[in-house]
Amino acid sequence: GAVVSQHPSRVICKSGTSVKIECRSLDFQATTMFWYRQFPKQSLMLMATSNEGSKATYEQGVEKDKFLINHASLTLSTLTVTSAHPEDSSFYICSASADALRLETQYFGPGTRLLVL
Amino acid sequence: AQKITQTQPGMFVQEKEAVTLDCTYDTSDPSYGLFWYKQPSSGEMIFLIYQGSYDQQNATEGRYSLNFQKARKSANLVISASQLGDSAMYFCAMREGGKSGGSYIPTFGRGTSLIVHP
Repeated sequence: GAVVSQHPSRVICKSGTSVKIECRSLDFQATTMFWYRQFPKQSLMLMATSNEGSKATYEQGVEKDKFLINHASLTLSTLTVTSAHPEDSSFYICSASADALRLETQYFGPGTRLLVL
Repeated sequence: AQKITQTQPGMFVQEKEAVTLDCTYDTSDPSYGLFWYKQPSSGEMIFLIYQGSYDQQNATEGRYSLNFQKARKSANLVISASQLGDSAMYFCAMREGGKSGGSYIPTFGRGTSLIVHP
């Protein structure tokens, strides 16, 4: 099956620093990648959708300047949490879609736990 | 309005018994896909099963089957012969076929916590 990796798996940082999370599709080309945020015992909240080579589409309420998304290639998307604060602590999950015309092709990464002190 | 509704915050089932996790959805788009994911305590989302809106038969994958009732807009997950390792959060999700042909934005339900006890 399709494999999506995320790096790092967990990160602890000081308030005010920036953190970059990578999402890679290892064995397929991902035309679309999604970034989610999940608080404990809650559902996944879509943050943004990114298509390779174009700007990400952010969901309402998600700050573009706070959460920078880059989808530079068909196998890599990055999420940078800029000037992180404790309220940014969360579980961030990416997913990659191989074919936008096939609804079932969405594969999740293992997630990144971010703790901002 | 909620597009995906999972009314059971928690479910208990005895090992080896079957359990049904409920999911109802709301869409006016004729083209959509329904998914079930399992999320163990480790956090990763594990794809279980998929049902397309045009699929004639209910999807099955091993011990998982999807009871798709289109007219009632329900897509319940049935797990047969529950195992202790099935204890996890289960999320129902839907992706709608966008009219403009853009990205199909997935929507997740709130999830159901399943506990399998011996």
